[in-house]
Amino acid sequence: DAGVTQSPTHLIKTRGQHVTLRCSPISGHKSVSWYQQVLGQGPQFIFQYYEKEERGRGNFPDRFSARQFPNYSSELNVNALLLGDSALYLCASSFGVDEQYFGPGTRLTVT
Amino acid sequence: AQSVTQPDIHITVSEGASLELRCNYSYGATPYLFWYVQSPGQGLQLLLKYFSGDTLVQGIKGFEAEFKRSQSSFNLRKPSVHWSDAAEYFCAVVPIYNQGGKLIFGQGTELSVKP
Repeated sequence: DAGVTQSPTHLIKTRGQHVTLRCSPISGHKSVSWYQQVLGQGPQFIFQYYEKEERGRGNFPDRFSARQFPNYSSELNVNALLLGDSALYLCASSFGVDEQYFGPGTRLTVT
Repeated sequence: AQSVTQPDIHITVSEGASLELRCNYSYGATPYLFWYVQSPGQGLQLLLKYFSGDTLVQGIKGFEAEFKRSQSSFNLRKPSVHWSDAAEYFCAVVPIYNQGGKLIFGQGTELSVKP
């Protein structure tokens, strides 16, 4: 079975632009979570979706938004990009509230 | 404040030596506990987890971890380290009250392995 997939792998954007990151969960998993990992730190929780409903939101500004589609894939959108948004964005899927399986991440660089 | 602490930012061990990475948590009730490993520029791979029951849990790649309620700790161990174990290791928790399953991570411990 395929693991969690994320696209794109790398992305370079300019300050003020917006970006959309995509995630496909493991087949059968209905929950998708998004995390931001700044260099040298542990991942920080951004959002969790289950059955297309938002179940949790971390301490991130409203510039960050997400949604989950009927096939359980998900998008993370970030508007008005700042230099500080440069990070590895990780998507994780899970069947329920048990262990989460992570994708390889999308490396976002904001210049 | 609720938190996960990994006291060691960087550890260096010789190949073949034993390893222990420390993790402490601060929550009212015992959370679900996890260890993840991350190779440079990669995503996170789950090594092992503890939900309840036997306090010594076995994981992949020869790793094990022991839950000690009295110390609020969940330390990761490996009896003999291989060069391929060099990576960043993260302890993480899901608080029991958190129905959303949000993972809260420690700062990570970077492991270097000397030949």
